[in-house]
Amino acid sequence: GQNIDQPTEMTATEGAIVQINCTYQTSGFNGLFWYQQHAGEAPTFLSYNVLDGLEEKGRFSSFLSRSKGYSYLLLKELQMKDSASYLCAVRDSNYQLIWGAGTKLIIKP
Amino acid sequence: ETGVTQTPRHLVMGMTNKKSLKCEQHLGHNAMYWYKQSAKKPLELMFVYSLEERVENNSVPSRFSPECPNSSHLFLHLHTLQPEDSALYLCASSQERGGGETQYFGPGTRLLVL
Repeated sequence: GQNIDQPTEMTATEGAIVQINCTYQTSGFNGLFWYQQHAGEAPTFLSYNVLDGLEEKGRFSSFLSRSKGYSYLLLKELQMKDSASYLCAVRDSNYQLIWGAGTKLIIKP
Repeated sequence: ETGVTQTPRHLVMGMTNKKSLKCEQHLGHNAMYWYKQSAKKPLELMFVYSLEERVENNSVPSRFSPECPNSSHLFLHLHTLQPEDSALYLCASSQERGGGETQYFGPGTRLLVL
């Protein structure tokens, strides 16, 4: 079967750095997405990786290793507004998006 | 504002009621999606429409009936639902279906079935 694993919940301190991991086992690979979802709101697109390596976008970076079936989302200089759920999704060989259950990130002052 | 709107935002219904969820996208996209999001579970894809044609139906019970009258509007008609259908129902759109297309989500309809 197809599976996306990510931690259920993480806690970090304002101003610090946090890394949210995502591992996947899917039938084929056509890209990996990270989305942010604040409570009661729509998921919003953060990043897309299809090749190995690090993609940086301001305070957020996303890394992919296809050989290891692994990605992480790195958030720097954490702000209180970064408290949200972070969803990892992989597009498989049929171009279906397979979603993880999300990681709830709690930021403490 | 992501360009995808959903109404109503909240809905409470009995198991014998019939209701409809509405989604509208203002992005000029050709593909639209219905997802179910339950607490602590992955997003479940329910239906996919591409150019107003249903292209995916992931074993969704017949008590959920989608309708796509044009590329900007998507409905989910609900009837004789069960309490386990209580969840957040998300609509999304993308330029095309497949490839590296990013999906843009609406805020969702929080549904409670009593």
